[in-house]
Amino acid sequence: DQQVKQNSPSLSVQEGRISILNCDYTNSMFDYFLWYKKYPAEGPTFLISISSIKDKNEDGRFTVFLNKSAKHLSLHIVPSQPGDSAVYFCAAISGDKLVFGAGTILRVKS
Amino acid sequence: DVKVTQSSRYLVKRTGEKVFLECVQDMDHENMFWYRQDPGLGLRLIYFSYDVKMKEKGDIPEGYSVSREKKERFSLILESASTNQTSMYLCASSFLSRISNQPQHFGDGTRLSIL
Repeated sequence: DQQVKQNSPSLSVQEGRISILNCDYTNSMFDYFLWYKKYPAEGPTFLISISSIKDKNEDGRFTVFLNKSAKHLSLHIVPSQPGDSAVYFCAAISGDKLVFGAGTILRVKS
Repeated sequence: DVKVTQSSRYLVKRTGEKVFLECVQDMDHENMFWYRQDPGLGLRLIYFSYDVKMKEKGDIPEGYSVSREKKERFSLILESASTNQTSMYLCASSFLSRISNQPQHFGDGTRLSIL
């Protein structure tokens, strides 16, 4: 039973446009959410997080939105750059553990 | 800067072998984790440890065991490797959540192939 779902396996976006990556969760007890970025042959690296008491967190080109009533979060990347091409994982914190989604492959075309 | 080091980037082993994957972190983190990453399944937690000699099962512990004899080192053991354990294995570490909300830091992974 997947508690964190990323329903889009891949996304293709033109350079300079907005990338929107989506994530849904089922456990209303999650109180912290994170996005990780992973390049091939490297480990995931932390990108941005949001507490469940907030609905938005921004860091440069990256913004995460949380809609608790819909149990949905999204990552916006504006403007998208070719170097953003990677796999993006949504994750939720449960105690000391992370529960990951399946990931979305983002391709930014120049 | 946090450094999580996995001893091998690539490993090829045979069915039935006992396989050891090693991970070392240099940030004095209490928590250490082992995941496997498979296409379409994301990262799945195998085992984690929140202290020396302590271990907790994750979501998919079958066929694996772990060892944490020192705080900085966490080993994953495949007791008798099988072909369905061919995967990318990722080690991570973090402070205890009650101490810090810092995220987990990952190593670069070990691509393990079981023939």
